[in-house]
Amino acid sequence: DVKVTQSSRYLVKRTGEKVFLECVQDMDHENMFWYRQDPGLGLRLIYFSYDVKMKEKGDIPEGYSVSREKKERFSLILESASTNQTSMYLCASSSTVKGEAFFGQGTRLTVV
Amino acid sequence: GQQLNQSPQSMFIQEGEDVSMNCTSSSIFNTWLWYKQDPGEGPVLLIALYKAGELTSNGRLTAQFGITRKDSFLNISASIPSDVGIYFCAGRRGTSYGKLTFGQGTILTVHP
Repeated sequence: DVKVTQSSRYLVKRTGEKVFLECVQDMDHENMFWYRQDPGLGLRLIYFSYDVKMKEKGDIPEGYSVSREKKERFSLILESASTNQTSMYLCASSSTVKGEAFFGQGTRLTVV
Repeated sequence: GQQLNQSPQSMFIQEGEDVSMNCTSSSIFNTWLWYKQDPGEGPVLLIALYKAGELTSNGRLTAQFGITRKDSFLNISASIPSDVGIYFCAGRRGTSYGKLTFGQGTILTVHP
């Protein structure tokens, strides 16, 4: 069974903290993605990676960075968390050949 | 970033009714995907479509890849209460490293 696992289901962080969201996939997929989901705004792509150490900005990269040191792991970093980054964060992975993306269970981040 | 035009935005139906929703775009896609998201969870892949005109079923769900490659449809027959959730369409172009474009989602409510 395919699996994308996000390290936390719920997180509460303080403004200004550095926050790490981790994502691991066991499907040997080339591509990995980070989205945020907010009511009325749908899924918005923050960053994606198509290979180890490769990354591309998505639609809303400001305030975020990413790291992909190993094929199975893709980390999202909030350099200095702000209240407007309170959101549901979703990680996904896909193979370049088939294109079907599989999602993790989501991390609901609250910045106070 | 571009989003697909998904309609309707929400549906309130009685148990046992059939449901139809669709996604349209001004651009051509090579792959169409349909997802369901339960509250507080990540989206789960329901159906993947790879060829124009393709019609694929998954239990009570049936989806079609439009002949123009610019649209897709999802039908749910004989709805049940556990069909409640948000349904998303997603499209993938041929040279996008697996990047998907998402619809805004259809919120489905089923009354027993």
